[in-house]
Amino acid sequence: QLQLQESDPGLVKPSETLSLTCTVSGGSISSSSHYWGWIRQAPGQGLEWIGTIYYSGTTYYNPSLKSRVTISVDTSKNQFSLNLNSVAAADTAVYYCARHAGIRVGATLDSWGQGALVTVSS
Amino acid sequence: QSVLTQPPSVSGAPGQTVTVSCTGSSSNIGAGFPVHWYQQVPGTAPKLLISGYTNRPSGVPDRLSGSKSGTSASLAITGLQADDEADYYCQTYDNILNGYVFGTGTKVTVL
Repeated sequence: QLQLQESDPGLVKPSETLSLTCTVSGGSISSSSHYWGWIRQAPGQGLEWIGTIYYSGTTYYNPSLKSRVTISVDTSKNQFSLNLNSVAAADTAVYYCARHAGIRVGATLDSWGQGALVTVSS
Repeated sequence: QSVLTQPPSVSGAPGQTVTVSCTGSSSNIGAGFPVHWYQQVPGTAPKLLISGYTNRPSGVPDRLSGSKSGTSASLAITGLQADDEADYYCQTYDNILNGYVFGTGTKVTVL
């Protein structure tokens, strides 16, 4: 059974870079049938899509975060990663990694990690 | 602010039917992009309920159903049960924003 697990950076200082890794088990990140995404949820708020990556390295980002976001993939480790730079308190959120069920535009997110709470504070 | 609008809350007694609406526009739902629905129990990750308007993954009861009309989509929960109490989100793609978008979320309360 597919499982996704986010790393746990915990506390990040303002203006620094938030780094998270999602480890995929029970399936291959090199599958040609899936994209992989990051979603976040600020405390008490709704869900926000951050970006999506294909195993080839093709990426798609939320325009509102694009200038600060980099998503990468490491097929040898079956992992994909999120870097968000110049963080502020507004970036405090639970960060989820997830799998897109297909490669068509608009594909659903059918498997999710448990989420990692990242707090931005000095 | 999300481009998909949902009512903040809906409620119903056990056994009743509730409907959660998701209002979009011509650049997302109206453009024909599939709408998906997720259930989120507070403190846990979202769980896929409905994909592509009407498709239920294995294990999701047929008490839950989705539909679309124009630039809006809806999730209906019939035979409401205590464990239906959760937050529900719609999600689709927007071709002006060029990205995935989520609804504002609806809290379903079982009275």
